[in-house]
Amino acid sequence: DAKTTQPPSMDCAEGRAANLPCNHSTISGNEYVYWYRQIHSQGPQYIIHGLKNNETNEMASLIITEDRKSSTLILPHATLRDTAVYYCIDKANAGGTSYGKLTFGQGTILTVHP
Amino acid sequence: DTAVSQTPKYLVTQMGNDKSIKCEQNLGHDTMYWYKQDSKKFLKIMFSYNNKELIINETVPNRFSPKSPDKAHLNLHINSLELGDSAVYFCASSQIFPGTSGPDTQYFGPGTRLTVL
Repeated sequence: DAKTTQPPSMDCAEGRAANLPCNHSTISGNEYVYWYRQIHSQGPQYIIHGLKNNETNEMASLIITEDRKSSTLILPHATLRDTAVYYCIDKANAGGTSYGKLTFGQGTILTVHP
Repeated sequence: DTAVSQTPKYLVTQMGNDKSIKCEQNLGHDTMYWYKQDSKKFLKIMFSYNNKELIINETVPNRFSPKSPDKAHLNLHINSLELGDSAVYFCASSQIFPGTSGPDTQYFGPGTRLTVL
């Protein structure tokens, strides 16, 4: 079962920042926080991941709290194409026993409207 | 260039039939996966192969038999199809370096929608 908790749905106006929260209060020290999204009828798409520090790439920013019990994915300027289900996943390192297994929860349905 | 490809995209078949879904990745990754997404949209891992060796088998019925002829391919064969097998099946790949620990990013294919009538 997924160990993360996300709101089931969120709305965002086009051009505004979308801030998607995630609680992972049972995260272990060697687990990363991953974010994926699934646009309708497509395969999941990797967005970003982090361990302790905040991270930024061309798609998004990831803010992880100091105690690592929660994080926020930020899409700085949401577009209509960002409408998707966003999944927050905490996953052990690849060398561990989970060996790459991603455990998806229900995710957050983000709707970007004009 | 498609990184992870699956064929067919759609598969409609009768109960009791045997069918296969093929997956290929051109990313040079050493690990491949099969995930199942049911009608309620839950995504769940089924299998994982590393260098053609089965690593993860998530209590999937033995009617499902993955086969990895080489690192770039992971096919899924399903015997005696049942109504409950109707779902979207996703293949994914990643690079895992044995003996190390670190993040691995998985890249997913477009999915195969299987409908069992």
